Amino acid sequence: GEDVEQSLFLSVREGDSSVINCTYTDSSSTYLYWYKQEPGAGLQLLTYIFSNMDMKQDQRLTVLLNKKDKHLSLRIADTQTGDSAIYFCAESFTGGGNKLTFGTGTQLKVEL
Amino acid sequence: DGGITQSPKYLFRKEGQNVTLSCEQNLNHDAMYWYRQDPGQGLRLIYYSQIVNDFQKGDIAEGYSVSREKKESFPLTVTSAQKNPTAFYLCASTSDRARPLHFGNGTRLTVT
Repeated sequence: GEDVEQSLFLSVREGDSSVINCTYTDSSSTYLYWYKQEPGAGLQLLTYIFSNMDMKQDQRLTVLLNKKDKHLSLRIADTQTGDSAIYFCAESFTGGGNKLTFGTGTQLKVEL
Repeated sequence: DGGITQSPKYLFRKEGQNVTLSCEQNLNHDAMYWYRQDPGQGLRLIYYSQIVNDFQKGDIAEGYSVSREKKESFPLTVTSAQKNPTAFYLCASTSDRARPLHFGNGTRLTVT
């Protein structure tokens, strides 16, 4: 079955880069997503990558996909205090009816 | 503005009572989803519906029921059979299988 794993916590200093990692097991993944959740709120889509891509960049966000190792990462450049949140990676897969399988989420704390 | 509205934001119930969580979208999306979020865990799929008058069980459907009488609405009933109903519930929707999910802001249900 599908399984998505993330580390639970990451702490960085303001202005540094943050790298949040995710591993997944389903080799038939079609899209991989990164969502951001602020306290008490729903999930906000940050970016997503199609499984035949290696990299996607969107302003301060860079997504890297290593299909061989089933490893996905999200790099946030020049991290700000407003980036403090929980970040979820998620995968959808062929035939899944767009049901997403989510990781446990990584709590990012940005310190001054 | 288009979006997904979940109401109420906070809900309190006594054990043994059924409770219905509302989810309405004006995005003209065909598919709608209910997820449950518990601390330190990823989101788990309860039910989903890809078309009006049709819905499927997700990974943790026991103790829950849904209906999809209108395209815009996908209410979730948490029944007294749900053994541990206290959680944060998130509703999502999408236009088709190739598009990301859009989330509402969630309902926090507390059952005592």
